[in-house]
Amino acid sequence: GQSLEQPSEVTAVEGAIVQINCTYQTSGFYGLSWYQQHDGGAPTFLSYNGLDGLEETGRFSSFLSRSDSYGYLLLQELQMKDSASYFCAVDTGGFKTIFGAGTRLFVKA
Amino acid sequence: GAVVSQHPSWVICKSGTSVKIECRSLDFQATTMFWYRQFPKQSLMLMATSNEGSKATYEQGVEKDKFLINHASLTLSTLTVTSAHPEDSSFYICSARVQTGYYEQYFGPGTRLTVT
Repeated sequence: GQSLEQPSEVTAVEGAIVQINCTYQTSGFYGLSWYQQHDGGAPTFLSYNGLDGLEETGRFSSFLSRSDSYGYLLLQELQMKDSASYFCAVDTGGFKTIFGAGTRLFVKA
Repeated sequence: GAVVSQHPSWVICKSGTSVKIECRSLDFQATTMFWYRQFPKQSLMLMATSNEGSKATYEQGVEKDKFLINHASLTLSTLTVTSAHPEDSSFYICSARVQTGYYEQYFGPGTRLTVT
């Protein structure tokens, strides 16, 4: 079967750094994406890794190791507004994307 | 960035009636759109892939006769929930793909359906 594993919840304080891991097992792999979703809202795209290594976009960075079937999203200088659910997603090819169950991030003052 | 709209944002309907949800790409052409269903605090479950000018591809376990998808133009896909029942109550989200070297998806704001 195809699966993506990520922690269900993470709690951190404002200003801290948090890492959300994602391991995957899929029949095909073209890239790993990360999406943010606030309660009641739609997911918004954060980042994409098609190749191994680190991609940095402002306070957010994403990493991929294809050999380990592993990636992570790194959020720095956490702000209260970062409290949301974060989904990793694998593009398996053929226009199909599989989403992980999501990680709820709680940022405390 | 690319914008996807969805209408209505919420709808309440009675059991047995049908509801149509529209998904539009506002500033780009989307040959492929996706329909997802999401239960509270859960992940997005892909229901079907909607291709302009052809039949939708449904995921296993999704009833194609109950969830009718039409992708009549490059900017519009519709999902009709036919003969709705309370168990169909959910958050339905569409997305469109813009292939810009990688496969970023842009999501609509979602439609919350409540069937009474």
